[in-house]
Amino acid sequence: KAGVTQTPRYLIKTRGQQVTLSCSPISGHRSVSWYQQTPGQGLQFLFEYFSETQRNKGNFPGRFSGRQFSNSRSEMNVSTLELGDSALYLCASHQTGTHSDNEQFFGPGTRLTVL
Amino acid sequence: AQTVTQSQPEMSVQEAETVTLSCTYDTSENNYYLFWYKQPPSRQMILVIRQEAYKQQNATENRFSVNFQKAAKSFSLKISDSQLGDTAMYFCAFTRGRNDMRFGAGTRLTVKP
Repeated sequence: KAGVTQTPRYLIKTRGQQVTLSCSPISGHRSVSWYQQTPGQGLQFLFEYFSETQRNKGNFPGRFSGRQFSNSRSEMNVSTLELGDSALYLCASHQTGTHSDNEQFFGPGTRLTVL
Repeated sequence: AQTVTQSQPEMSVQEAETVTLSCTYDTSENNYYLFWYKQPPSRQMILVIRQEAYKQQNATENRFSVNFQKAAKSFSLKISDSQLGDTAMYFCAFTRGRNDMRFGAGTRLTVKP
């Protein structure tokens, strides 16, 4: 079974631009979560999608948004980029989104640099 | 709000020895899940071990084991017979059961030959 894939792996943008990151979960997984990883703030939960619906949201401004498609692939969008948005963005997929007996799998991440 | 604290930013251990990484958390929930994730320099996060709060028995996975103290809200990771491949960032994480983990700041572990 293929793992979680994220595209692109690296991205360079300038302040004020917008960016879209993509995540393809493991086949059969219906839940996708996004995390931001920075040296200063560590790993922070952005949001979770399950069956095309946002189920949970972290404490991030409205510039950060996402969506999930019927095939469970997910995209996250950041508008009006700021220097502080430079980070590694990790996507994690989970079969059902509940942890009673299933594991969450992470992708390799997208490294976003904002200049 | 749930918080996860890892008080050891960096640790080192000699190959073949044992090391323990500390983690404490704060929650008012009674049912939840705790995890240790490993992030090697390649950046792919890998699950090391998980613990369900309703299970009193400490989880073990080969050389990895946890000491889960629910009343103290403590969840430490013990790595036995450390190997060079164990060198990585280790993150303690908490979730109430959904796919929305809260992570600690991480502990950078270096295994020395």
